[in-house]
Amino acid sequence: AQSVTQLDSQVPVFEEAPVELRCNYSSSVSVYLFWYVQYPNQGLQLLLKYLSGSTLVESINGFEAEFNKSQTSFHLRKPSVHISDTAEYFCAVSEIDFNKFYFGSGTKLNVKP
Amino acid sequence: DAGVTQSPTHLIKTRGQQVTLRCSPKSGHDTVSWYQQALGQGPQFIFQYYEEEERQRGNFPDRFSGHQFPNYSSELNVNALLLGDSALYLCASSSVSGGSSLYNEQFFGPGTRLTVL
Repeated sequence: AQSVTQLDSQVPVFEEAPVELRCNYSSSVSVYLFWYVQYPNQGLQLLLKYLSGSTLVESINGFEAEFNKSQTSFHLRKPSVHISDTAEYFCAVSEIDFNKFYFGSGTKLNVKP
Repeated sequence: DAGVTQSPTHLIKTRGQQVTLRCSPKSGHDTVSWYQQALGQGPQFIFQYYEEEERQRGNFPDRFSGHQFPNYSSELNVNALLLGDSALYLCASSSVSGGSSLYNEQFFGPGTRLTVL
């Protein structure tokens, strides 16, 4: 069975500082990897995904994540955060053959001015 | 395109009651998945419907059942509600391209907040 671990439940950071949100997974089969963002009182929005190919994937708003197969990690990074990045971030994995997602418990990113 | 829509937005029930939540998938999508997101936790997969059949199921009791209609919309039913069923219920839709096992992006609705008293 698959499982996803997000080690940090909350990450406070000052505006314009870099941030890394950690995600580790375990799986006995090949998986796809995702980061979703959830703003207050809203549904989940896809931030970025790794399906195959380059292990470094980027989003349109400056986030990036790198798939590390040997360490079974998919950490999310941003070199300079904005107040508007304040939200909860979820890491997820999906078995390649099915669209069944396993989510981590989430990391609340709180960007302070 | 309205995206994935869910109704109602909020719902309050008492223990032992039954509830039905509804989901309309994004236009062009034929697969609907349901998730339960308890407070402070990540979403947990309940089940997935495709071609009006339950295709996969997570670790949820039989009190949780569903249905998919010919227009691809879906319902989630929960019987004999427990306090622990209080959560945000998320619906996600995707499109299976001719049964391909390739990844098909899931789009999530805003959820239905269920409170069981």
